[in-house]
Amino acid sequence: DTGVSQNPRHKITKRGQNVTFRCDPISEHNRLYWYRQTLGQGPEFLTYFQNEAQLEKSRLLSDRFSAERPKGSFSTLEIQRTEQGDSAMYLCASRDTSGQSTDTQYFGPGTRLTVL
Amino acid sequence: DAKTTQPTSMDCAEGRAANLPCNHSTISGNEYVYWYRQIHSQGPQYIIHGLKNNETNEMASLIITEDRKSSTLILPHATLRDTAVYYCIVSGGTSYGKLTFGQGTILTVHP
Repeated sequence: DTGVSQNPRHKITKRGQNVTFRCDPISEHNRLYWYRQTLGQGPEFLTYFQNEAQLEKSRLLSDRFSAERPKGSFSTLEIQRTEQGDSAMYLCASRDTSGQSTDTQYFGPGTRLTVL
Repeated sequence: DAKTTQPTSMDCAEGRAANLPCNHSTISGNEYVYWYRQIHSQGPQYIIHGLKNNETNEMASLIITEDRKSSTLILPHATLRDTAVYYCIVSGGTSYGKLTFGQGTILTVHP
């Protein structure tokens, strides 16, 4: 078990550019979550996947944001036409729902985005 | 999900027990209490969770009151590496696992 991994760890981009982040969940975890965390605040839920299906999106996820999990394994989060307000830590978490009734999620180290 | 209330900050001397309180008076019967911590610039780290009974693992103990309206996370022998933001979260039922983080408690462990 290598844990949840995220790449890149840091991304600096200019306003208006597109960026894409990748999350590799813990092997066999069927649920994958994306959160965003701004400075001084707790993480906020963005969206989640059950296998390859995206089942819920937060109102925080504007139409410039898109997430995919094409084969039910890794996931990508793309932000188009980035704005300075998109600067944040983007966190990914995964969870195994098979045979469990709890919501324990395991987080990755995050991708810190800075939009200049 | 039920909301939680935690103190903004707490201090603890190294080697002493750190007791972090959390109020969750609107918790539902099928909701669990989770504790995570976040060390600066890292992702949140799962610590422990419980439903009704007290729980203990290698990291901490969780004491849940009988009415389940509050809980306390105990770090039995705090070290400098335990300095972090600690989040108490209530989740379960129909929330599909979405975790709602509050502001958390900033725990500072002093030498």
